[in-house]
Amino acid sequence: GESVGLHLPTLSVQEGDNSIINCAYSNSASDYFIWYKQESGKGPQFIIDIRSNMDKRQGQRVTVLLNKTVKHLSLQIAATQPGDSAVYFCAETKGNTGFQKLVFGTGTRLLVSP
Amino acid sequence: DVKVTQSSRYLVKRTGEKVFLECVQDMDHENMFWYRQDPGLGLRLIYFSYDVKMKEKGDIPEGYSVSREKKERFSLILESTSTNQTSMYLCASSRSGAMYGELFFGEGSRLTVL
Repeated sequence: GESVGLHLPTLSVQEGDNSIINCAYSNSASDYFIWYKQESGKGPQFIIDIRSNMDKRQGQRVTVLLNKTVKHLSLQIAATQPGDSAVYFCAETKGNTGFQKLVFGTGTRLLVSP
Repeated sequence: DVKVTQSSRYLVKRTGEKVFLECVQDMDHENMFWYRQDPGLGLRLIYFSYDVKMKEKGDIPEGYSVSREKKERFSLILESTSTNQTSMYLCASSRSGAMYGELFFGEGSRLTVL
């Protein structure tokens, strides 16, 4: 099931550094994973996705890595900028019905300092 | 661009009052969702709908109901609010067949129940 906690994990980085945000998922049957970014006062926005038949996918300045052996997902952001400061959520598809719901992780806050 | 509009950004209600949160999307999406977001708990699915007049319970439907009379509109109803329903409520939509696809979120409705 999902991990539950009262405190949001926070990653603090300097501008220009590379950031790595990690996520552990629970269901080995999950076959699709998405990363979302949520800026303060806004709804989550899609960043990048990956299917379970892949172990790496690259976008613009972002890379998602999937390790199915240990059920681990990571989001790498290259040359982090202050505009990357946000809460990042991973999500997995879960369920064996015709409609697969996305299940979200608890989120990680990324703070980028100049 | 896809736009998901939530009718109220901020609401303050007293225990026992009724709340009606409305969500409208302009991209002719079949699927619509209501989530609540609480610190440290991530996004949790309340209800979803994959067609007009169709609804399915999510993970935490207790205390909530929904209505989907038109394709573009999905409403969340709290018949008698309680303090534990103080939260950020997020509406989202996606196109059918993109069950694996990205969700488009609204900016959220922050509800405070006194």
